[in-house]
Amino acid sequence: EVQLVESGGGLVKPGGFLRLSCAASGFTFSDYTMNWIRQAPGKGPEWVASISSGGHYFYYAEAVEGRFSITRDDTRKSVSLVMNSLRVEDTGVYHCARDWGDVGARNYFDPWGRGTQVIVS
Amino acid sequence: DIEMTQSPSSVSASVGDRVTITCRASQGVSRWIAWYQMKPGKAPRLLIYGASNLQRGVPSRFSGSGSGTDFTLTINSLQPEDFATYYCQQGNSFPRTFGQGTKLEIK
Repeated sequence: EVQLVESGGGLVKPGGFLRLSCAASGFTFSDYTMNWIRQAPGKGPEWVASISSGGHYFYYAEAVEGRFSITRDDTRKSVSLVMNSLRVEDTGVYHCARDWGDVGARNYFDPWGRGTQVIVS
Repeated sequence: DIEMTQSPSSVSASVGDRVTITCRASQGVSRWIAWYQMKPGKAPRLLIYGASNLQRGVPSRFSGSGSGTDFTLTINSLQPEDFATYYCQQGNSFPRTFGQGTKLEIK
């Protein structure tokens, strides 16, 4: 079964730090771009960051650029999100998600993990 | 960024009803649209991709249509497990963006 499981969320004060992790299983992890997507209370999902297969390319949403860092470890089949200088508006559920779609057009997200809650207060 | 606008924001329906949700993109996205189902505490689920392609394992009562800027998700013969929040997402350009959601509630 293809599965993603996040961990590392919690309550942190503004300006603080958190490291989220996502463990993958059931697929060839190294072949896929991986993503973090967050959902603030009462709002739609927001893409946060992506890391390419091989780990050579990184992309960030403007709202987190310079504060968050995405990394991956293909031997451990895991992807992490290091979050610095956290703000109240970073509060939400953070989901790990795999890029998915036809070869050369993986423009969607599947599967997702259940998410880990981050509260900045 | 491409803005995705869904309507309605919420809808009430009964088991067995047919429901249609609309998503409008602020600029053309061809057919690069996905629909997701989300329930609290559960992993979001991809239902439809490429505007009208049913993801493996998704019941055939779900269908999608549209191209350009206007898209619809239709659920025929609603089942109890379908009551959830639905989101559209554009995959045409970076950053990939989502709608604000449509909450489907039991009447």
